[in-house]
Amino acid sequence: RKEVEQDPGPFNVPEGATVAFNCTYSNSASQSFFWYRQDCRKEPKLLMSVYSSGNEDGRFTAQLNRASQYISLLIRDSKLSDSATYLCVKDSNYQLIWGAGTKLIIKP
Amino acid sequence: EPEVTQTPSHQVTQMGQEVILRCVPISNHLYFYWYRQILGQKVEFLVSFYNNEISEKSEIFDDQFSVERPDGSNFTLKIRSTKLEDSAMYFCASRTGGTSPEAFFGQGTRLTVV
Repeated sequence: RKEVEQDPGPFNVPEGATVAFNCTYSNSASQSFFWYRQDCRKEPKLLMSVYSSGNEDGRFTAQLNRASQYISLLIRDSKLSDSATYLCVKDSNYQLIWGAGTKLIIKP
Repeated sequence: EPEVTQTPSHQVTQMGQEVILRCVPISNHLYFYWYRQILGQKVEFLVSFYNNEISEKSEIFDDQFSVERPDGSNFTLKIRSTKLEDSAMYFCASRTGGTSPEAFFGQGTRLTVV
């Protein structure tokens, strides 16, 4: 099993809709998880950290479920500018382990 | 806002040549990384560097690759005898570690081996 697995998508979603995707991980010793966003041919940029208690930043909500070993990202009221690849990242002893990313396409 | 800078933004080299990719991490950061991303594929870890030595490296990071921190600011990736399959985007990242483990990425160097 890969350490971090994501559905590659693409998820085609109409503007204004809510979209959610999950990321599963192995090796539960990991302490920190992140969602990064990557636009085409650009560097990854941190979207948000993921905490056990869940965290919300505007339209974005991230959750961590340690028992089932997955993290999730929920985007509400999606905008055209949300179109990107969303990368799930696990921090294991300061080495970041990356998922392959989920491609999201928001359609007008 | 402090940022990680990489040069050059695009490098074209002939197969078999050596290239050096340069990175200036954020000044108070302690951990440095190189990643690569082949077009359309996932981000792949190459190497991490801490306290002036390699702390971890992937199986991709073989004898063809080396890293250096020649002075207090630069962090370089050298690729010897480049192959066509080395063509990729190479990202440098740095982080402080501790309670703020966010990694900051440079804008990348696009390496094209012809």
